[in-house]
Amino acid sequence: AQTVTQSQPEMSVQEAETVTLSCTYDTSESNYYLFWYKQPPSRQMILVIRQEAYKQQNATENRFSVNFQKAAKSFSLKISDSQLGDTAMYFCAFKEGGSEKLVFGKGTKLTVNP
Amino acid sequence: NAGVTQTPKFQVLKTGQSMTLQCAQDMNHEYMSWYRQDPGMGLRLIHYSVGAGITDQGEVPNGYNVSRSTTEDFPLRLLSAAPSQTSVYFCASSLTGTFATEQYFGPGTRLTVT
Repeated sequence: AQTVTQSQPEMSVQEAETVTLSCTYDTSESNYYLFWYKQPPSRQMILVIRQEAYKQQNATENRFSVNFQKAAKSFSLKISDSQLGDTAMYFCAFKEGGSEKLVFGKGTKLTVNP
Repeated sequence: NAGVTQTPKFQVLKTGQSMTLQCAQDMNHEYMSWYRQDPGMGLRLIHYSVGAGITDQGEVPNGYNVSRSTTEDFPLRLLSAAPSQTSVYFCASSLTGTFATEQYFGPGTRLTVT
């Protein structure tokens, strides 16, 4: 079974600075997808960024980018120019190709300080 | 589009009571699923469905039943509530396919079993 590990239960960053959230996963599959979801205090789950395993290029979405290291099974999220609205729980998630089931990590609580 | 809707938003049950959490989506998504979120545990898959009439168990199915009679609706039934089922429940839906398809989440239901 696939597992997703987020080793940082909590992190904090100053506004306008850069922060990196870590995620590692374990799988024997070659076809899979990785996601970062954000859960602000409102509780709503919001997709931040996604990465296809077959793509070597790291995904980027505005201030959010990933560092995808396939051999190391690592999928970290970098948030640049942190904003107060980035304060949230962040979940890393894995999906095997051909399945829609998501496996989530336990989450990292990020606080952006003014 | 309303997206994914869940009712109720909050619910308190006594041990042994039964209830149904409602979930509906208006995006014609084939895939629907239920997760529970507990502190420090991330989101864990309870049950899922890949289309009307088709359901299957996820990681933590015990104590829950589901059915999928229409594409739009995917209710989750608690047969005899237990304090261990105190949690936040999320319904999600997505298209199916071999892509990094986004799962859309409902706003969640906070359930307390006393």
